[in-house]
Amino acid sequence: QQQVKQSPQSLIVQKGGISIINCAYENTAFDYFPWYQQFPGKGPALLIAIRPDVSEKKEGRFTISFNKSAKQFSLHIMDSQPGDSATYFCAAYHSGGYQKVTFGIGTKLQVIP
Amino acid sequence: DTAVSQTPKYLVTQMGNDKSIKCEQNLGHDTMYWYKQDSKKFLKIMFSYNNKELIINETVPNRFSPKSPDKAHLNLHINSLELGDSAVYFCASSQDFGTHSYNEQFFGPGTRLTVL
Repeated sequence: QQQVKQSPQSLIVQKGGISIINCAYENTAFDYFPWYQQFPGKGPALLIAIRPDVSEKKEGRFTISFNKSAKQFSLHIMDSQPGDSATYFCAAYHSGGYQKVTFGIGTKLQVIP
Repeated sequence: DTAVSQTPKYLVTQMGNDKSIKCEQNLGHDTMYWYKQDSKKFLKIMFSYNNKELIINETVPNRFSPKSPDKAHLNLHINSLELGDSAVYFCASSQDFGTHSYNEQFFGPGTRLTVL
């Protein structure tokens, strides 16, 4: 059972465009939603995260939008650059979950010049 | 300085062999993890240790045995390797277990295991 559903699995965006990755979750006990970025041959690294009491969080060109009632959240990458080409994982965590994080299946983003 | 390191980076072995992957973190974290990333990039937690104590064990075959000699190290030993064990294995660590708040997990570079 996939508790965090992520789409699309792959995404090609022109340089300067907006990349959008969507995630949905089922477990209402989740109370923290991090996004991880993974470059080829590297381990995932935390990119940005949001709590469900906030509808949007922005850090530079990266924005998370959160819809608690719909149990959905998304990552927007503005002015996408070739250096953003990586695999992006949404994730969900609930306090009391012994730091267990449930990851989405990942989205491979390619930004073409 | 590497925060979370793993050795080896690549491991190629025959079916039926026993192998180990080592992980060390120099971040002073209390909690360490092993994740498996399959060929489709799906990242799934296998184990979690806090201060050398097993906390999470996610329906992993008992051929996989984590060992934590101290809180800075979490090694993964795999017995009787099978073709389906081929994957990239990531070690990770985080701080402050049990504070009921999310603490960033720092991942190692991964170990690509290929079972022939």
